[in-house]
Amino acid sequence: AQKITQTQPGMFVQEKEAVTLDCTYDTSDQSYGLFWYKQPSSGEMIFLIYQGSYDEQNATEGRYSLNFQKARKSANLVISASQLGDSAMYFCAMREGRGLTGGGNKLTFGTGTQLKVEL
Amino acid sequence: DVKVTQSSRYLVKRTGEKVFLECVQDMDHENMFWYRQDPGLGLRLIYFSYDVKMKEKGDIPEGYSVSREKKERFSLILESASTNQTSMYLCASVTWTGRGYTFGSGTRLTVV
Repeated sequence: AQKITQTQPGMFVQEKEAVTLDCTYDTSDQSYGLFWYKQPSSGEMIFLIYQGSYDEQNATEGRYSLNFQKARKSANLVISASQLGDSAMYFCAMREGRGLTGGGNKLTFGTGTQLKVEL
Repeated sequence: DVKVTQSSRYLVKRTGEKVFLECVQDMDHENMFWYRQDPGLGLRLIYFSYDVKMKEKGDIPEGYSVSREKKERFSLILESASTNQTSMYLCASVTWTGRGYTFGSGTRLTVV
């Protein structure tokens, strides 16, 4: 079964508008972490935002916010005031467990959403 | 800034060749990972290592092996390259807290 599901292979948004990229996850762990990464056409993976399973507030980083709904197991990324430079592939990822050493730091990725910002 | 450096950006190899992909990080991270990225499939974990000489299989280890002789270096080895191993390969490392993941810039490998 897919652990991370991103159901939108491609999205378009007008410049200056907000856009939501969907992500649902599946885990039986109580402690886990959720991440969003941006990958422009250059190929680098850029960390955007992190949400811990015990964090009560939704994470925010500038124009990025993570809409964390634990009961629904969803972790949608909201980008406010889209810019042309936001055009990229976006990946949702999950780290199960508490991290620390051993295998507890594996990241599992979704298949990604290609976002295109238009004028 | 933490840096993860992958030795080659682009690589073309012949079927049957032994291929080494090198990854070096400069922040004393215990955990290092190799992923492969294919269109429509996202990033899939090949192998990871949580200490020197320690390694564990990820989701798609077949056809690959790894080596970690020093903490800062994690090598991915394709024992006998095949065309279905044509892909983008990404290395990553992370602190013990499991939050500060850093990725290399990737190696695009073509096997002909």
